[in-house]
Amino acid sequence: ETGVTQTPRHLVMGMTNKKSLKCEQHLGHNAMYWYKQSAKKPLELMFVYNFKEQTENNSVPSRFSPECPNSSHLFLHLHTLQPEDSALYLCASSQDWTAPDGRGYTFGSGTRLTVV
Amino acid sequence: EDKVVQSPLSLVVHEGDTVTLNCSYEVTNFRSLLWYKQEKKAPTFLFMLTSSGIEKKSGRLSSILDKKELFSILNITATQTGDSAVYLCAVGNYGQNFVFGPGTRLSVLP
Repeated sequence: ETGVTQTPRHLVMGMTNKKSLKCEQHLGHNAMYWYKQSAKKPLELMFVYNFKEQTENNSVPSRFSPECPNSSHLFLHLHTLQPEDSALYLCASSQDWTAPDGRGYTFGSGTRLTVV
Repeated sequence: EDKVVQSPLSLVVHEGDTVTLNCSYEVTNFRSLLWYKQEKKAPTFLFMLTSSGIEKKSGRLSSILDKKELFSILNITATQTGDSAVYLCAVGNYGQNFVFGPGTRLSVLP
């Protein structure tokens, strides 16, 4: 375990469903991130939260809605997704988003999302 | 636009071989370069490099950065089947997040 926990591990949802991904870190980090990893593409940054405030939204469609109630928890709310949204969604954390410590990011194990 | 290129994209070797993975980048105001190993899901941290010419080592893995030529290499000696994974390189500049490369998929055959 890396200290960053993601649930669920796997999720299959229809295009009209609403679901949420959860991420929790117990590392005392102040910054949390959502990344998308599709087959044969580099990791794509989606959202950044620093001290619970969103600092970056990388032109992500509105069908993805993040929520960060505190520095330890991060959610990604999903609704009316498309099949091309099927991917591995990784959560990560770091000490601070402008100056990660010597270990960079710590990643969770991800949620494998399939949209049918 | 910041860019990270990794080569080769995939590599198949036999146990005991030595491999060199490459990462080149174009980033304004470079801060640091990260190497990660991704086996199943969670990428795990290997090295952070910030200074040119200083080798970082961990067991059979080592890495070095050349800030003049804008690249880094990751060496793995005496490879084992457990080294099979995707190796990710990420480069960051000050005040912004890291940009990841596409990764190199390494397969080590027994």
